[in-house]
Amino acid sequence: NAGVTQTPKFRILKIGQSMTLQCTQDMNHNYMYWYRQDPGMGLKLIYYSVGAGITDKGEVPNGYNVSRSTTEDFPLRLELAAPSQTSVYFCASSYPGRGQYNSPLHFGNGTRLTVT
Amino acid sequence: DQQVKQNSPSLSVQEGRISILNCDYTNSMFDYFLWYKKYPAEGPTFLISISSIKDKNEDGRFTVFLNKSAKHLSLHIVPSQPGDSAVYFCAASPPGTSGSRLTFGEGTQLTVNP
Repeated sequence: NAGVTQTPKFRILKIGQSMTLQCTQDMNHNYMYWYRQDPGMGLKLIYYSVGAGITDKGEVPNGYNVSRSTTEDFPLRLELAAPSQTSVYFCASSYPGRGQYNSPLHFGNGTRLTVT
Repeated sequence: DQQVKQNSPSLSVQEGRISILNCDYTNSMFDYFLWYKKYPAEGPTFLISISSIKDKNEDGRFTVFLNKSAKHLSLHIVPSQPGDSAVYFCAASPPGTSGSRLTFGEGTQLTVNP
């Protein structure tokens, strides 16, 4: 049981290039999320998904796209990389809890992206 | 607009003493609060949570206190251990999201000295 797996761990992009950050989870969680963390800042929600085929914008979605074709995978796409997208990206998942609240988020170990 | 704020970037305590990490929030609609711990090169891991109908939740060495009137929560770690050295994030969730779609504070680096 690997949990939430993110690839790659590190990547350097040139301005204008595109790339896909991969995220997969083997816990059969319905909900998945992408966050970014800038130095000295908290994590900010980019996109989230409540199930396959359903995605929605978070707080900072501009410059990103996502898809959720399966329960396991939630890739994050950067189409035209900009220096402002230099950050550490975390994928997370959760499942509906028995009570009022979903389970806490389970995070991957992050992808460190530098755009120069 | 930073809705969840951790005003102390760092905190240093001696092993065995109490660590108190603080967090303030501005959105009175938040109804669920969590603390996460993060080691370098790893993702955050869940530590403890509290719903807005409670004012205290305890789990072993960790206790979270919520003061809704002051819009303030704190995490107490007693006794502190060197392995507790990490960045601690508080997070809050708006109603209707079942504790998801978290808003995070900036984090506090806790260092526990042997």
